[in-house]
Amino acid sequence: QKEVEQDPGPLSVPEGAIVSLNCTYSNSAFQYFMWYRQYSRKGPELLMYTYSSGNKEDGRFTAQVDKSSKYISLFIRDSQPSDSATYLCAMSVTGFNKFYFGSGTKLNVKP
Amino acid sequence: KAGVTQTPRYLIKTRGQQVTLSCSPISGHRSVSWYQQTPGQGLQFLFEYFSETQRNKGNFPGRFSGRQFSNSRSEMNVSTLELGDSALYLCASSSGQGASMETQYFGPGTRLLVL
Repeated sequence: QKEVEQDPGPLSVPEGAIVSLNCTYSNSAFQYFMWYRQYSRKGPELLMYTYSSGNKEDGRFTAQVDKSSKYISLFIRDSQPSDSATYLCAMSVTGFNKFYFGSGTKLNVKP
Repeated sequence: KAGVTQTPRYLIKTRGQQVTLSCSPISGHRSVSWYQQTPGQGLQFLFEYFSETQRNKGNFPGRFSGRQFSNSRSEMNVSTLELGDSALYLCASSSGQGASMETQYFGPGTRLLVL
C-alpha cells in the first residue's frame, strides 16, 4: 500500500465550477500537508501548505486536513482554464528533508 | 533569483548504459532532493543531499546514486539502465536549515527515455 493515495483523474469541469481534489494517507505521523500544481513540461510548484488539522484559505484555494480520517482536500472556487494542470498532494512528518507525494490528479477546466 | 536548473532536459539511452543528470539549486540553498516521476507511480523520493552528505534515502536500488559538490550542485547517476527507468527526474532545492516547513523549489526535470 502506498503511503499517499490520490485519484489520478482526469477531472474535467466547466469554467466557474467548484473543484474538489482529495488525498488519503496511511501514516498518522504526517504533520505537514502540501498541495502542488504542475503544468505540462514544468516542475511542480507549491500552492499552499497546512500544518496539522484544519483549514487554510488563499484566494480561490482552500486546503482542508482531517487527521482523524487521514484525508486532505483542496477546493478551487470559480475555476479558470488557467487552473488546468496536474495537482499533487504531498506530506511530511517534519516539514523538511523527506516528502511523500500522491500520484497527482489531472484537472481540465473547459472555457 | 535564478530558479533550479537541470541539465540535460531530454535524454535517450539504451538498456545497460549509464546516465548522469545534473542539478543546480537556487543560490544559497544547501539541500537538494531528487525525485522520479512516472505516470503509474507519481513522484517518488530518491534521495536528499545536504552539505555534500546524503541525509535521506528512498527505496530505490543501488543503481541509483548521487552526490553533491561544495557549491551545492548535485548530480544523480543511474547505472545499468533498465526500460523501467524511463521517467521524468526532478530535482528540488530548499534552504536545508531544518525550519519547521521548508518550501521545495522544483526544476523543470530531465526526461529520460530508455530504449
